[in-house]
Amino acid sequence: DTAVSQTPKYLVTQMGNDKSIKCEQNLGHDTMYWYKQDSKKFLKIMFSYNNKELIINETVPNRFSPKSPDKAHLNLHINSLELGDSAVYFCASRLQQGVTQYFGPGTRLTVL
Amino acid sequence: AQSVTQLGSHVSVSEGALVLLRCNYSSSVPPYLFWYVQYPNQGLQLLLKYTTGATLVKGINGFEAEFKKSETSFHLTKPSAHMSDAAEYFCAVSPPEAAGNKLTFGGGTRVLVKP
Repeated sequence: DTAVSQTPKYLVTQMGNDKSIKCEQNLGHDTMYWYKQDSKKFLKIMFSYNNKELIINETVPNRFSPKSPDKAHLNLHINSLELGDSAVYFCASRLQQGVTQYFGPGTRLTVL
Repeated sequence: AQSVTQLGSHVSVSEGALVLLRCNYSSSVPPYLFWYVQYPNQGLQLLLKYTTGATLVKGINGFEAEFKKSETSFHLTKPSAHMSDAAEYFCAVSPPEAAGNKLTFGGGTRVLVKP
């Protein structure tokens, strides 16, 4: 009965690799987000999609490419990983007319 | 642009004592306000939110917060701390208009509860 799920939970990889993180929500929401939490616990919005359409892109390097195959899924692909990409990435979702965002458990990415 | 300031990155309280976490925001229009809690190695869980109406809002786990427009504050309180309250707490704001509705977070406050 998981509401917002992310895979994988942990991801360890080498610099220069390409990796993807997947997010799925079964809440029937139509707006989804990616947030990045750095090592100091600071959280910042990266992207938002509404009904598969990109509506927020917060000056994120173009090595990061979100993809929304349908409104229940929002994946994050990262090319040419750098050390500074190490962080916890959270997916969240919201009903378009709603206010509250519901967060997934996070994916801890470690770039070596 | 919106911003959120949480005073105190760490707060230590004794079990049974009052918990007070401070949050001040900056916004050109009164925003929606949220408190989220993050337990170790977990995602964020909504504690409570303010959108409109009564300025004192009650949330889960005995927490409440009061929106004070004149002070641009949304401080979080709990009368009696429990060991299970040890976690990281985040104050966040979002613009009242529906488009995007992105959350802007404060830096977080880690709460330590002493027995």
